[in-house]
Amino acid sequence: NAGVTQTPKFQVLKTGQSMTLQCAQDMNHNSMYWYRQDPGMGLRLIYYSASEGTTDKGEVPNGYNVSRLNKREFSLRLESAAPSQTSVYFCASRRGVSTDTQYFGPGTRLTVL
Amino acid sequence: GDSVTQMEGPVTLSEEAFLTINCTYTATGYPSLFWYVQYPGEGLQLLLKATKADDKGSNKGFEATYRKETTSFHLEKGSVQVSDSAVYFCALSVASGTYKYIFGTGTRLKVLA
Repeated sequence: NAGVTQTPKFQVLKTGQSMTLQCAQDMNHNSMYWYRQDPGMGLRLIYYSASEGTTDKGEVPNGYNVSRLNKREFSLRLESAAPSQTSVYFCASRRGVSTDTQYFGPGTRLTVL
Repeated sequence: GDSVTQMEGPVTLSEEAFLTINCTYTATGYPSLFWYVQYPGEGLQLLLKATKADDKGSNKGFEATYRKETTSFHLEKGSVQVSDSAVYFCALSVASGTYKYIFGTGTRLKVLA
């Protein structure tokens, strides 16, 4: 089992460019999540998908869109990147009930110039 | 709303010292509580969890007890090692329709040889 995989690992963008961060899990989990991690801020939830076919906003959704492509894949899109979106992005998944563990990917380090 | 507060770091200890990292929470309902650990350059991974009051989670010498009366879930280890140097996150999950996680801001631990 690969667990949760993310691509790319690193990315540098110029302001205004767009990109999509990819996430896939092979654990047959129902729920998937996108977080950003900034120094001193902990993890902040951007979007989540409680189950295939549904997506909901988290704490900091502005400037992002998501697609739950199927049960395995959950992508995060930046339509017009801004320097404030420089961060480390983590995808996570879990089976679905509140007692379940979240499993995290290795992260994507994004720099917007 | 639901929230997690954990002690600010960084915490610097000598090898074999006793560790406590405080975590308190506010939640509606009956949350599950988690400690995650993040090693440099990696994603978060579960350290331990407790799903109901008075439960004790334990792993790799770390322990935390779910205290409903004090709304706390403090992390302890009797004798830390250099390899324990990492960032530790307290988190909760409430059994609502969203199944969201709430993370604390993280506490950086540095253990000196």
